[in-house]
Amino acid sequence: GQNIDQPTEMTATEGAIVQINCTYQTSGFNGLFWYQQHAGEAPTFLSYNVLDGLEEKGRFSSFLSRSKGYSYLLLKELQMKDSASYLCAVRASGTYKYIFGTGTRLKVLA
Amino acid sequence: GAVVSQHPSWVICKSGTSVKIECRSLDFQATTMFWYRQFPKQSLMLMATSNEGSKATYEQGVEKDKFLINHASLTLSTLTVTSAHPEDSSFYICSAQDRGYEQYFGPGTRLTVT
Repeated sequence: GQNIDQPTEMTATEGAIVQINCTYQTSGFNGLFWYQQHAGEAPTFLSYNVLDGLEEKGRFSSFLSRSKGYSYLLLKELQMKDSASYLCAVRASGTYKYIFGTGTRLKVLA
Repeated sequence: GAVVSQHPSWVICKSGTSVKIECRSLDFQATTMFWYRQFPKQSLMLMATSNEGSKATYEQGVEKDKFLINHASLTLSTLTVTSAHPEDSSFYICSAQDRGYEQYFGPGTRLTVT
């Protein structure tokens, strides 16, 4: 079966660093995506990993370990505007469908 | 580039009526589009895969006769919610897939059934 897990909620302080984990068990794998979604809006693309290792993009970094079925999104220098839901999605091989995780609601406190 | 639009952005309809939502890829051709539904405080759930010129493929538990999908051209897919009921109220999001198998999401359509 397909299973993608993330913590439901996290809270962090402005200026801090937060790591959002994602574990997955899928029948096939063709890349892992992270999206940010503000309430009432569509998801916006943050990062993409297909090979093991760390991808860095400004204040956001994403890590992947395919052997462990594990990824994390690292947000540095947190800002209030980072308060949002963060969605992990695995792209299935063959069908190329995206399977979304449960999503993590992040609250950034002043 | 890679812009996807949806219309309408929000719609209110009465129970028992049908509602059509359009998804357009504005600057690229998409042979495949996807339709998602998102309930409050939940993640995106894939409803169906829409393929240009062929029948849509529905995910388990999604009623194909209730959620009619038509992908008549390489830039347009439509989702029609037939005989809508209050439990169909949700945020509907489409995505269009490019040749590199990357998905670009539309802005979403908020459906409220009264």
